[in-house]
Amino acid sequence: GENVEQHPSTLSVQEGDSAVIKCTYSDSASNYFPWYKQELGKGPQLIIDIRSNVGEKKDQRIAVTLNKTAKHFSLHITETQPEDSAVYFCAASHSGGGADGLTFGKGTHLIIQP
Amino acid sequence: DAGVTQSPTHLIKTRGQQVTLRCSPKSGHDTVSWYQQALGQGPQFIFQYYEEEERQRGNFPDRFSGHQFPNYSSELNVNALLLGDSALYLCASSPTAVSEQYFGPGTRLTVT
Repeated sequence: GENVEQHPSTLSVQEGDSAVIKCTYSDSASNYFPWYKQELGKGPQLIIDIRSNVGEKKDQRIAVTLNKTAKHFSLHITETQPEDSAVYFCAASHSGGGADGLTFGKGTHLIIQP
Repeated sequence: DAGVTQSPTHLIKTRGQQVTLRCSPKSGHDTVSWYQQALGQGPQFIFQYYEEEERQRGNFPDRFSGHQFPNYSSELNVNALLLGDSALYLCASSPTAVSEQYFGPGTRLTVT
């Protein structure tokens, strides 16, 4: 089955700096890669996703890149703000036109230092 | 428009008991997936329901079962509870033929 590795487990950055979280996946058939943000006591919130036919996607301060050859994808957050502090999860799945079960990484605790 | 809702919020059960958790999907969504999230870990896929049938299943024993109703709401049942079943149980919904899954706030289950 699919295996998703996520690094680092904890990331501390100064407010206004950029943060990068990296994930690798094992199953070359995976073609859908979402990122979720989870705040304390809440469920994961979808913040951005990318499909295997796209190399990069951007939404305001958040961007995701995908390297299919290396089976590697990354989340980039620019101009970090205190409200960006949370646990971030990457995930992967096969998507044959429907919602398949997601395989998640173990999460990155992002801390924004004021 | 209400998002995904789950009940109850918290639950405490004793080892060996049975539990039922409930989920109402986001309006317009017909597919429901269940995940287990242990403390400090990422969610793990349990199973997915579509058209009232189990469409996919993760690596969980058959103590974990589910149901989907005609209004697309869903239940997760866990029999013969073990201490290791203590976790946050998350429900996610999505529309037909769309990959995006939207999560509810979860039910925190504690088994003593």
